[in-house]
Amino acid sequence: ETGVTQSPTHLIKTRGQQVTLRCSSQSGHNTVSWYQQALGQGPQFIFQYYREEENGRGNFPPRFSGLQFPNYSSELNVNALELDDSALYLCASSDRGEGYTFGSGTRLTVV
Amino acid sequence: AQSVSQHNHHVILSEAASLELGCNYSYGGTVNLFWYVQYPGQHLQLLLKYFSGDPLVKGIKGFEAEFIKSKFSFNLRKPSVQWSDTAEYFCAVTTEYNFNKFYFGSGTKLNVKP
Repeated sequence: ETGVTQSPTHLIKTRGQQVTLRCSSQSGHNTVSWYQQALGQGPQFIFQYYREEENGRGNFPPRFSGLQFPNYSSELNVNALELDDSALYLCASSDRGEGYTFGSGTRLTVV
Repeated sequence: AQSVSQHNHHVILSEAASLELGCNYSYGGTVNLFWYVQYPGQHLQLLLKYFSGDPLVKGIKGFEAEFIKSKFSFNLRKPSVQWSDTAEYFCAVTTEYNFNKFYFGSGTKLNVKP
């Protein structure tokens, strides 16, 4: 059982559509990061939020955007979906110390 | 950009065999090192981590890892694997520039035959 909750667990979208994925961080964790895990690969860093501001970004285009709310929950938005966006999207929260917790992920399929 | 290499993509062992999974990273500065395990259909779980101190780190479920700074390596070991260890294992690194940004290896799938 993880303290990080992601929704939905599975999602199917059509190419060109937009999607919003949600993450509820573990209590007390003020930093959230999002990762994309394509099939057969390790998770790749998308971006990170700390106290509602983006605090680091990986090599992903601007159509990947995010939000962090005052309660430290977070959203990942992807516009103009492409087939290659099909992946498991992971949220991880931390307290900027030693605690890192990953959620179970949202499996996105783009058709 | 930093990189993490896991050279074994797929390992098949029989129960009670010893396990060693390789992990090498490219960053020359201060790092934190992690091993995560992902059981089929489940979330990433932390096996062990190294921040500083004794380079031999013991984790959960009988796993351990050794940090060898001169070799930029953090290999995962277990003396005797069980069928329940069948999973995918990921090595990950964070650096002094951002200790919350993980660089993951591509993973090693371990299949333990009963």
